[in-house]
Formats: sequence, C-alpha cells, structure tokens
Amino acid sequence: TQLLEQSPQFLSIQEGENLTVYCNSSSVFSSLQWYRQEPGEGPVLLVTVVTGGEVKKLKRLTFQFGDARKDSSLHITAAQPGDTGLYLCAGARSGAGSYQLTFGKGTKLSVIP
Amino acid sequence: EAGVAQSPRYKIIEKRQSVAFWCNPISGHATLYWYQQILGQGPKLLIQFQNNGVVDDSQLPKDRFSAERLKGVDSTLKIQPAKLEDSAVYLCASSFDRQGRVGGYTFGSGTRLTVV
Repeated sequence: TQLLEQSPQFLSIQEGENLTVYCNSSSVFSSLQWYRQEPGEGPVLLVTVVTGGEVKKLKRLTFQFGDARKDSSLHITAAQPGDTGLYLCAGARSGAGSYQLTFGKGTKLSVIP
Repeated sequence: EAGVAQSPRYKIIEKRQSVAFWCNPISGHATLYWYQQILGQGPKLLIQFQNNGVVDDSQLPKDRFSAERLKGVDSTLKIQPAKLEDSAVYLCASSFDRQGRVGGYTFGSGTRLTVV
C-alpha cells in the first residue's frame, strides 16, 4: 500500500493551461514537501508546508496543505514548457527515534508548446 | 554553494557482482540519506545517517546492501552481490536538520545502476 497517493500519474497539457495535481494520504504528516525532478537529475525542493490549511505561492505555483495535514495540492497557472518534469510530494513523519521523508510516485507533467 | 556530489553517474554490472557508490554531502549538513528510485516510482529511503551514526536502516536489504559514513562527512553505499531487481537510480541527499524543515533535502544527481 502506497502511503502517499499522487494523482494524476501522467498529465499532458498545452502551454498556457492551468492544472492541479494532488497528493493524498490517510496518515498525518508533520510537514509536507513538493519537489520537481527532471530526467537524469535528483529532485529539487520547491516548497515545504507545515501548518494545516497553509497556502504558499511560488510565482505561478500555488501549494496548499490540507487542514488535517493529510493531503496537499499543487496548482500551476498558465503552464510553460519549463514546468515539464516529475512532481513529487513527500511527507515527513517521526517514528522510532528518527524523522522519515516518504515520497509518492509522482505526477509526470508534460507542457506542450 | 556546492551541491551534493555523487559518483559514478552510471554503472553497468552483471548480476552477482559488487558495486559501490560514493556521496559527498553539502558542507555542514549533518544528516545524509541514501534513496533508491526504481523507474516510474518515487524515491524510497534505504538508510539515514546523523553525523556518522545510523538513524534508520529499516528498509535497507542488509543481506546485500551496506553503507558507511565513517568520518561523518562523505558516505559509500555498497551492493554485494547485485541482483537484477537492484537496477535503479541511487540518490544521495543531505539536510541541515533531521526533518528537512530548514531548506529541505538537497539531492545529488544520482547514480544510475543497470544490472544485467
């Protein structure tokens, strides 16, 4: 069972369109991070959300953390080809004396010029 | 600031051979992680170090995988003997704090391992 479910798995849109990707779980997280990964590279952090209900904006990207800290969404306005990549959400939990960051499988976004 | 350095970038080995990967984290980052990313999936944590001590290795297949961070700086991950299902990208990451709240995790570019 995947701890973090991301949807959709694949998304192909035209430049200028808006889109939303989702990250859902039945578990509560102390914080949640979004990363973007390009082919042949490691994931790069976009944002960390900590407080339930928190909304953060990064230029055309809007991130929201659910009130119960179990889910999150990423909304991109007026997508551009440079937004193409694999978007990963990762939830942080504590347990057994350590903090663990668990990743979803990601949403692969293609923005067509 | 320099990023997380990993080598080699690519490695092809036959099954049952051994292989080692190297990682140099960002200076000052006490926490170091090794993740395995199989094609089409998100990264899965293999092992987490805090300085030179192991914090979490619950998902490390210890019969064939080993890792060390002797001086609390760079780290090596070894697989011996390799199996076909070990084909994946092995990502090293580091963070300033254990939960990654300060600056998140910084990942290296990874080592793509192909076992044939």
